[in-house]
Amino acid sequence: AQRVTQPEKLLSVFKGAPVELKCNYSYSGSPELFWYVQYSRQRLQLLLRHISRESIKGFTADLNKGETSFHLKKPFAQEEDSAMYYCAQGSNTGKLIFGQGTTLQVKP
Amino acid sequence: DTGVSQDPRHKITKRGQNVTFRCDPISEHNRLYWYRQTLGQGPEFLTYFQNEAQLEKSRLLSDRFSAERPKGSFSTLEIQRTEQGDSAMYLCASSFGTRGYEQFFGPGTRLTVL
Repeated sequence: AQRVTQPEKLLSVFKGAPVELKCNYSYSGSPELFWYVQYSRQRLQLLLRHISRESIKGFTADLNKGETSFHLKKPFAQEEDSAMYYCAQGSNTGKLIFGQGTTLQVKP
Repeated sequence: DTGVSQDPRHKITKRGQNVTFRCDPISEHNRLYWYRQTLGQGPEFLTYFQNEAQLEKSRLLSDRFSAERPKGSFSTLEIQRTEQGDSAMYLCASSFGTRGYEQFFGPGTRLTVL
């Protein structure tokens, strides 16, 4: 069965520090991978997807098929980045398989 | 507001009662998904519709759960004979296409079963 693993429940960094949120997936084919974010009191929303290779709010994520990883990175964290981040893998039917989520806390 | 809406936002019920939730997707979206999220976990897939057809159901969806999307627009999720283990956030999402398309999420319905 497809599985997405986010090993860290909580990541706490100081403002201006680099951030890396880890995500590993299990799928031998060509995966569709996403990062979703949920800010406090807001709904879940798409942050970025690997297929578009875009950078949103300074975040990037590179698909590493060899390591089956899709880690989310940002060189300089901002306080407004504090949120819950979910890595998700799309299935052939379109449903999303989510990881457990990582809370990012950016301290001033 | 053109986003996905869900009603009610909160529901408290007693064990054994039936509950029904509604989801209104973005109007031009043909795909509608239901997920369930418990504390400390990511959303888990329950079922999805393409237009009015229910195409997949998770093993999480016991026979006490039923979902419909009668006219390919809004959807309802009903839970019969609720159990305390059904307490969770129920999320609805919609998308315009399938693989690789962004899913837009609603605010969720928080169910508490006493």
